[in-house]
Amino acid sequence: EEQLVESAGGLVQPGGSLRLSCVASGFTLSNYAMAWVRQAPGKGLEWVSAIADSGDDTFHADSVRGRLTISRDSSRKTLFLQMDSLRAEDTAVYFCVRRLKATTGSGIFDLWGQGTLVTVSS
Amino acid sequence: DVVLTQAPLSLSVTPGQPASISCKSSQSLLHSDGKTYLYWFLRRPGQPPQNLIHEVSGRLSGVPDRFTGSGSGTEFTLKISRVEAEDVGVYYCMQGIHLPWTFGQGTQVEIK
Repeated sequence: EEQLVESAGGLVQPGGSLRLSCVASGFTLSNYAMAWVRQAPGKGLEWVSAIADSGDDTFHADSVRGRLTISRDSSRKTLFLQMDSLRAEDTAVYFCVRRLKATTGSGIFDLWGQGTLVTVSS
Repeated sequence: DVVLTQAPLSLSVTPGQPASISCKSSQSLLHSDGKTYLYWFLRRPGQPPQNLIHEVSGRLSGVPDRFTGSGSGTEFTLKISRVEAEDVGVYYCMQGIHLPWTFGQGTQVEIK
C-alpha cells in the first residue's frame, strides 16, 4: 500500500524550530515531486512548499519563505520541512503530499499523509 | 496571488439531490500547453484532503462518476449529480499554474 507518514509535530515556542519528516512507503519517493500543505485551525487549505523529484528545484509560499525549508533524502525515502523562526500563525496541521504529473505546475496532489499538528505558542 | 472565490460557502443537500459549487479565479488558469490547471478536493471530517478532479474535468481513480468538473479560463464548477452521505465535508478548488498555488476558501457540504 502506498503511504505517507508524517512525524509527530508538537508544541513549539514562538521563534523556535522544528523539523517535520515524512516517510514514504509502497512507492519510490525519488520518482515523484512532493509538497507540504497546511491547514490552520478553522481555516482553509494553504500550500506551503514544493520540491521537484530531483530535489534541484524548491518553491515556497511568501508567508514562509526564509523560515520554512523543504528538502528530501530519497535514499532514506524521506521528505523534510525544516521550520525555523516559528510564529503563532504557523500553527496548523501539516500534510505531506505526493505530486503526480508535476512537469508543469503543481501536478495532481494524489497521495496525502494523515497530517501532523504543529502548535506555536508560549 | 491568484484569488479563487468559491460559492456558496455552505450547502445543505437532501440525499439523492444534485449539488453545484462554483469557483472563480482572478486570473486565467489556461497554460500555453493548452491545459487548465484547476483541481477539486474534498476534505471529509477526520480525513486528509482527497483530490477528486484534476485539470478541470479529469476524475482521479476511484472517484465516483457522480462528480463532474467543468469550466474554462476563470470560471469553474463542480457538480455532484446525486449527493450521498459520504459526500459530506469541505470542498476546495485549487489552481496549480501560478505560484503561489492557491486554494479557494472552501464550501461546506452537509446532508439535510
